[in-house]
Amino acid sequence: GIQVEQSPPDLILQEGANSTLRCNFSDSVNNLQWFHQNPWGQLINLFYIPSGTKQNGRLSATTVATERYSLLYISSSQTTDSGVYFCAVQTGGFKTIFGAGTRLFVKA
Amino acid sequence: DGGITQSPKYLFRKEGQNVTLSCEQNLNHDAMYWYRQDPGQGLRLIYYSQIVNDFQKGDIAEGYSVSREKKESFPLTVTSAQKNPTAFYLCASSPDRAYGYTFGSGTRLTVV
Repeated sequence: GIQVEQSPPDLILQEGANSTLRCNFSDSVNNLQWFHQNPWGQLINLFYIPSGTKQNGRLSATTVATERYSLLYISSSQTTDSGVYFCAVQTGGFKTIFGAGTRLFVKA
Repeated sequence: DGGITQSPKYLFRKEGQNVTLSCEQNLNHDAMYWYRQDPGQGLRLIYYSQIVNDFQKGDIAEGYSVSREKKESFPLTVTSAQKNPTAFYLCASSPDRAYGYTFGSGTRLTVV
């Protein structure tokens, strides 16, 4: 089956710094999503981005489907950005495959 | 407000007991899903349902059972056959395969 790899696995930032999270996938995908899981376990959908670029405030994402990767950019990081960021892909049908996540800690 | 409600938030179970986790959505979504998350790990699919009275096994269905008698509800039963049930369980729904998920807030199950 398709493999989803996220990097880096862990990231520590000083408040105000910028960062880039990467998601590589091993096969063509129909859909790709980025999620943020807060320290209490709640998963929030950040972007639905099978291709192209989207921006939402300090966050933006780019998916290059032909090269099988997606990037999540976080600018001017805040302590509330801490948590785990997951990339999730669909290849068709209803099954969604999640990566192992990038654990982000933003220091004040 | 529309959303997904999981209950209870925390659940303790004795070994050998079955336990049922509740998931209810009022988003009018056709598809619903159950995921398991272990500490420091990603999400693994247990079961999913595309439509009422139909469901399919995911990657780790052994020791679990589900039902989908109503569009709004997709309860998960963790049976005594599940050898390592302590985990965080997340329910999700989506309108169809083309759109993103909405997740519930999860249930933390601990076997004591």
